[in-house]
Amino acid sequence: DAKTTQPPSMDCAEGRAANLPCNHSTISGNEYVYWYRQIHSQGPQYIIHGLKNNETNEMASLIITEDRKSSTLILPHATLRDTAVYYCIVRVEGNDMRFGAGTRLTVKP
Amino acid sequence: ETGVTQTPRHLVMGMTNKKSLKCEQHLGHNAMYWYKQSAKKPLELMFVYNFKEQTENNSVPSRFSPECPNSSHLFLHLHTLQPEDSALYLCASSQHGAGAYAEAFFGQGTRLTVV
Repeated sequence: DAKTTQPPSMDCAEGRAANLPCNHSTISGNEYVYWYRQIHSQGPQYIIHGLKNNETNEMASLIITEDRKSSTLILPHATLRDTAVYYCIVRVEGNDMRFGAGTRLTVKP
Repeated sequence: ETGVTQTPRHLVMGMTNKKSLKCEQHLGHNAMYWYKQSAKKPLELMFVYNFKEQTENNSVPSRFSPECPNSSHLFLHLHTLQPEDSALYLCASSQHGAGAYAEAFFGQGTRLTVV
């Protein structure tokens, strides 16, 4: 599975959009981009995933660049409860989920 | 509630004790996993079971012994642990197979302290 690069930390004001970037320049054609988050001392929670097209669900939007070498997770109206570590994972469907260090997002009042 | 339940939530054990962590999933998934998360470190994949068969052991010491009696239950048997084994142990499940959605669902974890 391709390696991903994320900033170690980010801040966001409550009520504003949080845009979390992820670089995956070595991604191959059959690898999906997955996003999870982990709130302090809890198990990771699935957020969204995509292959080529942008995706949206009730939690977030995923924007994947046309060359697929990077993506952005967007939380449209961040709340204090969105403070967590966000993980970007690139994997072939069916492979095991392996986590990196992620981005620690702090939403501030 | 993710459909994956881990017990106990907290465990303190001595280095000579034997204990077991339990994981149960109610999602009908065919793959289950154990992860370890030490303080300020990323999650480490320990064991993978597909269709009750162990398919991966990421160089985990033998003092950790997994057991998967059926596709809904997963255990991690612990014996003669070291203080550095203190960590959050997470269980996850997913569905493998052609066309499967395949995202992993995690339990809340067991916070283990070895004294």
